[in-house]
Amino acid sequence: GAVVSQHPSWVICKSGTSVKIECRSLDFQATTMFWYRQFPKQSLMLMATSNEGSKATYEQGVEKDKFLINHASLTLSTLTVTSAHPEDSSFYICSARDLRDYYGYTFGSGTRLTVV
Amino acid sequence: QKEVEQNSGPLSVPEGAIASLNCTYSDRGSQSFFWYRQYSGKSPELIMSIYSNGDKEDGRFTAQLNKASQYVSLLIRDSQPSDSATYLCAGGGNTPLVFGKGTRLSVIA
Repeated sequence: GAVVSQHPSWVICKSGTSVKIECRSLDFQATTMFWYRQFPKQSLMLMATSNEGSKATYEQGVEKDKFLINHASLTLSTLTVTSAHPEDSSFYICSARDLRDYYGYTFGSGTRLTVV
Repeated sequence: QKEVEQNSGPLSVPEGAIASLNCTYSDRGSQSFFWYRQYSGKSPELIMSIYSNGDKEDGRFTAQLNKASQYVSLLIRDSQPSDSATYLCAGGGNTPLVFGKGTRLSVIA
């Protein structure tokens, strides 16, 4: 089945620094990838939709200048959390749509970000 | 506002029993529905997908979809302690998936 690789699996950073999270589709091309954030005991909240070769579409309330998304190839999307603050600490998960599986969505393993 | 509603639980069932998880959705345009299982601290993993009205069975899992009632369910037969997790219902189509808040299932040995 489709595999999405996400790195790093966890990261601790100092407040004010930036963190980059990578999401790769390993055995399929993903024209669209999605970035979610999940706070403890809450559901997945869509942050943005990443389209290869174009600007990402951000959900209402998500700061596009803070959460930079780049989808430069059909197999790689990155999320950069800029000037991270403790309230950005969360579980970030990417997802890609494998069009070989009708509307199928595959998730990466997630990145636990802790900002201290 | 597209919404997917689930009872947060916890739903407790004894080992070997049938666990029934339910979900309703607001967007009639949603074409595909998914059940994901998420263990604490882990990413969701796909359990079942269903696109047509009726039942779909895969091993111990049966998904049911009723588009007229905007209702999706998941039955887990012969529940095992390893099934204890949060189950997320999601719906979508040509738009990003919308997730429910999840139902926490606890299977008691």
